[in-house]
Amino acid sequence: DAGITQSPRHKVTETGTPVTLRCHQTENHRYMYWYRQDPGHGLRLIHYSYGVKDTDKGEVSDGYSVSRSKTEDFLLTLESATSSQTSVYFCAISPGITANYGYTFGSGTRLTVV
Amino acid sequence: AQTVTQSQPEMSVQEAETVTLSCTYDTSESDYYLFWYKQPPSRQMILVIRQEAYKQQNATENRFSVNFQKAAKSFSLKISDSQLGDAAMYFCAYKRSGGSNYKLTFGKGTLLTVNP
Repeated sequence: DAGITQSPRHKVTETGTPVTLRCHQTENHRYMYWYRQDPGHGLRLIHYSYGVKDTDKGEVSDGYSVSRSKTEDFLLTLESATSSQTSVYFCAISPGITANYGYTFGSGTRLTVV
Repeated sequence: AQTVTQSQPEMSVQEAETVTLSCTYDTSESDYYLFWYKQPPSRQMILVIRQEAYKQQNATENRFSVNFQKAAKSFSLKISDSQLGDAAMYFCAYKRSGGSNYKLTFGKGTLLTVNP
């Protein structure tokens, strides 16, 4: 979608290795989110950010960390990847705190941990 | 905590016919927003329709409409004149209104197949 890109689109990594996924936006939106999508679970919030260097945990944050040093970039790091972290990861943005018009999503990163 | 339930993991419809996808939610709030997102095989999440809880009128976007029953906490999506391009996973989502209520809570999804 216009204004938000995720990289890489696909990644295969080995158990125990660190992995960083990147989300980049050109909309100057303050709020950014990381979700994971798994069959039978829908989308679940991992972490979110409400400004540069301001982040907080979501419902499934164990094993993940995030950083936001610039408005446009939100990084998700798996410190030591496990097979349970095989998933599709989505970044999303919203212009304001209320997100009353929903989110705009990136195209997702499919991560496979072998 | 709010929960969103989509009781139909899979649905199918014949092309040109109408299908309804179900969604129920649990909340003690009176003011909130509801959404339906479409995820085609491309994996992109596309906002289909949005409903504000304080509006009684059901939202409509072309062939997509909702049946919002606030008392029953039900928010179903009706797709009329189904097309092959409607085949996708559909997610219902809920968000509280106001304050710091940023989070969207999603259902588990309904996979819609459209048969030619």
